[in-house]
Amino acid sequence: EAGVTQFPSHSVIEKGQTVTLRCDPISGHDNLYWYRRVMGKEIKFLLHFVKESKQDESGMPNNRFLAERTGGTYSTLKVQPAELEDSGVYFCASSPAGVGEKLFFGSGTQLSVL
Amino acid sequence: GESVGLHLPTLSVQEGDNSIINCAYSNSASDYFIWYKQESGKGPQFIIDIRSNMDKRQGQRVTVLLNKTVKHLSLQIAATQPGDSAVYFCAERDYGNNRLAFGKGNQVVVIP
Repeated sequence: EAGVTQFPSHSVIEKGQTVTLRCDPISGHDNLYWYRRVMGKEIKFLLHFVKESKQDESGMPNNRFLAERTGGTYSTLKVQPAELEDSGVYFCASSPAGVGEKLFFGSGTQLSVL
Repeated sequence: GESVGLHLPTLSVQEGDNSIINCAYSNSASDYFIWYKQESGKGPQFIIDIRSNMDKRQGQRVTVLLNKTVKHLSLQIAATQPGDSAVYFCAERDYGNNRLAFGKGNQVVVIP
């Protein structure tokens, strides 16, 4: 069974540019989460989808971040325009049952904003 | 890849010894706890979980202990191996908001 996949694995962009991260959850998982880890700090919650609906987006830093999950399958997270403080590792996770339990994580996208 | 381990508490342990990683939590409403292991360049990998109605749970070479009185969670790794070198995160779920909140992580370095 394929795990959670994320693309790209690394992205280096300049301040002010736009970047779109993609996440493919494990097939059949209704719950999809985005988390972010800034260098040396804890992994912070960004938002949670149940199928195509945003269940909780309270962790989104500001309106430069836009997440979508069209059709309830893969998800994208767009940052526009990117700022220096957006640098970090963005993780996607999915889970099949319950909420906030035993999340399966992807390998993350390392985003560097220069 | 990501430079994990910066500014993190670090536990150095001799190969073959037992490791204990501690985690304090503050939310008394948390009803579910989980430990993840993150190796450099990879995403967090599930190790073991425990619900608040339990105080101990064992897996393969790992044991999680939960002390709700003092809001403390620990992960014990038996016979630590070089492959156990990683950053370990504890996470808790608040029954009210239904999402995992992660701690800052602990770096474990296994000395061969």
